[in-house]
Amino acid sequence: GAGVSQTPSNKVTEKGKYVELRCDPISGHTALYWYRQSLGQGPEFLIYFQGTGAADDSGLPNDRFFAVRPEGSVSTLKIQRTERGDSAVYLCASSTGQGGYTEAFFGQGTRLTVV
Amino acid sequence: DQQVKQNSPSLSVQEGRISILNCDYTNSMFDYFLWYKKYPAEGPTFLISISSIKDKNEDGRFTVFLNKSAKHLSLHIVPSQPGDSAVYFCAAWNTGTASKLTFGTGTRLQVTL
Repeated sequence: GAGVSQTPSNKVTEKGKYVELRCDPISGHTALYWYRQSLGQGPEFLIYFQGTGAADDSGLPNDRFFAVRPEGSVSTLKIQRTERGDSAVYLCASSTGQGGYTEAFFGQGTRLTVV
Repeated sequence: DQQVKQNSPSLSVQEGRISILNCDYTNSMFDYFLWYKKYPAEGPTFLISISSIKDKNEDGRFTVFLNKSAKHLSLHIVPSQPGDSAVYFCAAWNTGTASKLTFGTGTRLQVTL
């Protein structure tokens, strides 16, 4: 597709369950980012991929959070043993990743609600 | 610590007037700055950017000003239109690492008739 696509757009899960959130970046973009946005806050960085590898995962809050990008395109953010505090909008973005001056393009986000 | 700050959570401006949204940053390694606009239930959309080698960038009704010594940037929208009503995020990038955009907390702009 032309833009960054995220599925599902909404996810409601019970506390303690496992969830997977998917991101399809813009074709040809080597850099992919996951952000989390809580109510009233700006997007908060979680993890950055350059190609298949996680170049910076310093934003992942704890070891319940994990992300993969096995073929350098689609990425999946995985959250184990979900907690109510994980409820937020999870945003994915991609960019050309060529360095220099560039912009990141965002998907519409996945709204995760943990009940 | 909040490296990018938008101290005004909201702003109301009359249609046709100028909207000025402000942003301050603390990290001197940031060298590229972007403004994103966000409507409810949508992802942030890129609006305009400026590199640290410039002090002004203009695109139609939108102008971004950068004051490096003060570590301050601002977004001017003139004339403001009702469709500009949205949340605006300031974001900063260290292009040397390109590892992440750091966002401010956003300013909600309401353009009234």
